[in-house]
Amino acid sequence: EPEVTQTPSHQVTQMGQEVILRCVPISNHLYFYWYRQILGQKVEFLVSFYNNEISEKSEIFDDQFSVERPDGSNFTLKIRSTKLEDSAMYFCAAGRGSSYEQYFGPGTRLTVT
Amino acid sequence: AQTVTQSQPEMSVQEAETVTLSCTYDTSESDYYLFWYKQPPSRQMILVIRQEAYKQQNATENRFSVNFQKAAKSFSLKISDSQLGDAAMYFCAYRSAANNDMRFGAGTRLTVKP
Repeated sequence: EPEVTQTPSHQVTQMGQEVILRCVPISNHLYFYWYRQILGQKVEFLVSFYNNEISEKSEIFDDQFSVERPDGSNFTLKIRSTKLEDSAMYFCAAGRGSSYEQYFGPGTRLTVT
Repeated sequence: AQTVTQSQPEMSVQEAETVTLSCTYDTSESDYYLFWYKQPPSRQMILVIRQEAYKQQNATENRFSVNFQKAAKSFSLKISDSQLGDAAMYFCAYRSAANNDMRFGAGTRLTVKP
């Protein structure tokens, strides 16, 4: 099974800075997702993306977050002005369709200092 | 709102033995999917098994099987012939057929003793 990849594996940034987390989904997958996992807590849904637009988002996904797929391959999550509480593991996931399972990338550990 | 509950924060099993991890969920929907994901120390989320709610037959993947009780809203994972590599956090997850967001339980940390 092809893999979802994510870069960087670890990002350290200062509070107030912008970060972009990158994901390369599996090539024939059409649905893309971002999740986050604060250390020691459960995995939380952020957003789903299909056909170049957001299909669903959670209450966590506020105006400081945005997603895009600028070049048809990379799927990015941008955090405009990071806060300390944004420190977490961010997972990208992809699926062939809405009724199919989601395959997760290895995650990006974001540390906001 | 759908919630997923894993009542066992930690479980341990002897190598080669069988262990069952519990999961219950709350929903008013009839069409949904359930999943078990494994998260080893590398923190990657690995799909273990999937169950469609409309299927009565319990899903099986090699040493992993589920006991899906729709009326009881229960979805337990049985790991047979446990191996050292099975040690990880296991997350139960629910996804409605009507939308794409997955709801995860708090996880169960499984330790496998040699």
